[in-house]
Amino acid sequence: AQSVTQLDSHVSVSEGTPVLLRCNYSSSYSPSLFWYVQHPNKGLQLLLKYTSAATLVKGINGFEAEFKKSETSFHLTKPSAHMSDAAEYFCVVSERLGGNNRKLIWGLGTSLAVNP
Amino acid sequence: ETGVTQTPRHLVMGMTNKKSLKCEQHLGHNAMYWYKQSAKKPLELMFVYNFKEQTENNSVPSRFSPECPNSSHLFLHLHTLQPEDSALYLCASSQDRLARVGTGELFFGEGSRLTVL
Repeated sequence: AQSVTQLDSHVSVSEGTPVLLRCNYSSSYSPSLFWYVQHPNKGLQLLLKYTSAATLVKGINGFEAEFKKSETSFHLTKPSAHMSDAAEYFCVVSERLGGNNRKLIWGLGTSLAVNP
Repeated sequence: ETGVTQTPRHLVMGMTNKKSLKCEQHLGHNAMYWYKQSAKKPLELMFVYNFKEQTENNSVPSRFSPECPNSSHLFLHLHTLQPEDSALYLCASSQDRLARVGTGELFFGEGSRLTVL
């Protein structure tokens, strides 16, 4: 069975410094991977997704993630954090159940704090 | 209005009460979903509707009763809930129901924060 692990439950960075949110997955098949963001008192929004095309995926708000099969990782990065990036971030993998059946597996989330 | 709108944003109810959560999407999507978000747990898919027909019920207790009168509206009727049902209930929509498995994007509302006393 596939699973997704977000290695840090909380990350704190200073404004203007790089952001790294780590995600590892286990998969028997080529996975589809996603990052969603949830700002305080807001719904979840898709940041970016990987679906077997380019391994470096660019998303909204300057975020990007790189699919590394050898490391089974899909870490989310941003060169320079902004105060508005403070939110909860979720890594998600699409699990293949058999045939064409799939389901989404959600990580537990990483809370990002950005300090002035 | 645009996007996915959920009401009420906050709800406090006793275990014997009956209440309903409402969701409306203005995106012209065909699929709608209820998710449960609890602290320290992965997001849980509860129900899926496609063209107002229920296509998925993930072993949700019968004290949660969904209703989808059309593709734009989704309700979650609540009765005789338990304190462990306290959570954030998220409604989502997508162009088709395959978004629940990663094909296509899910669009979420801001959620209804439910507290059961």
